[in-house]
Amino acid sequence: NAGVTQTPKFQVLKTGQSMTLQCAQDMNHNSMYWYRQDPGMGLRLIYYSASEGTTDKGEVPNGYNVSRLNKREFSLRLESAAPSQTSVYFCATGRYRGNTEAFFGQGTRLTVV
Amino acid sequence: AQSVTQLDSHVSVSEGTPVLLRCNYSSSYSPSLFWYVQHPNKGLQLLLKYTSAATLVKGINGFEAEFKKSETSFHLTKPSAHMSDAAEYFCVVSESRGGADGLTFGKGTHLIIQP
Repeated sequence: NAGVTQTPKFQVLKTGQSMTLQCAQDMNHNSMYWYRQDPGMGLRLIYYSASEGTTDKGEVPNGYNVSRLNKREFSLRLESAAPSQTSVYFCATGRYRGNTEAFFGQGTRLTVV
Repeated sequence: AQSVTQLDSHVSVSEGTPVLLRCNYSSSYSPSLFWYVQHPNKGLQLLLKYTSAATLVKGINGFEAEFKKSETSFHLTKPSAHMSDAAEYFCVVSESRGGADGLTFGKGTHLIIQP
């Protein structure tokens, strides 16, 4: 029972390159989230998916796209990476949208040079 | 809209002394409130949660928090700090209406434990 698994754990990109961050959960949760964490900023929501087949923008969606491939998997794509996207990215899941705790992956540390 | 303010960006205490991490929230609906802990280079772990049951909530590792609606506060306490408590702590709010934004995080409080 792995919980929430993110890949890769570390990545360095050059400005303009693209990449996809992968997230998979085995908790049978409906909701999945992508957050970014920057020093002194807490975690900010990029995109979320309340259920399979639906996605919605969060607080900071610009420069990102997401895909909810199935109930287990939720990917985050950077089409043209910028230095401002250097951050730690966390995937999280929740049993349902709203007032339930979230369960987090270990994070992906992304550096864009 | 919901928001949360952690009143201290850094808190330093001596090992064996009490810990107090302060959190105020704003919510238009009946909120659920959480405290998460993040150790260096790790993911976030749930410490405790309030979801409209008892106002005094006990969590893991001896932490507890009290929901005070009149003060819109949800402060985290521990009677005696341990070196292993050194970490980043996040207060989090979520509205019970099934808010579209999931969870809203405070900016975090860095807890330092002095030997």
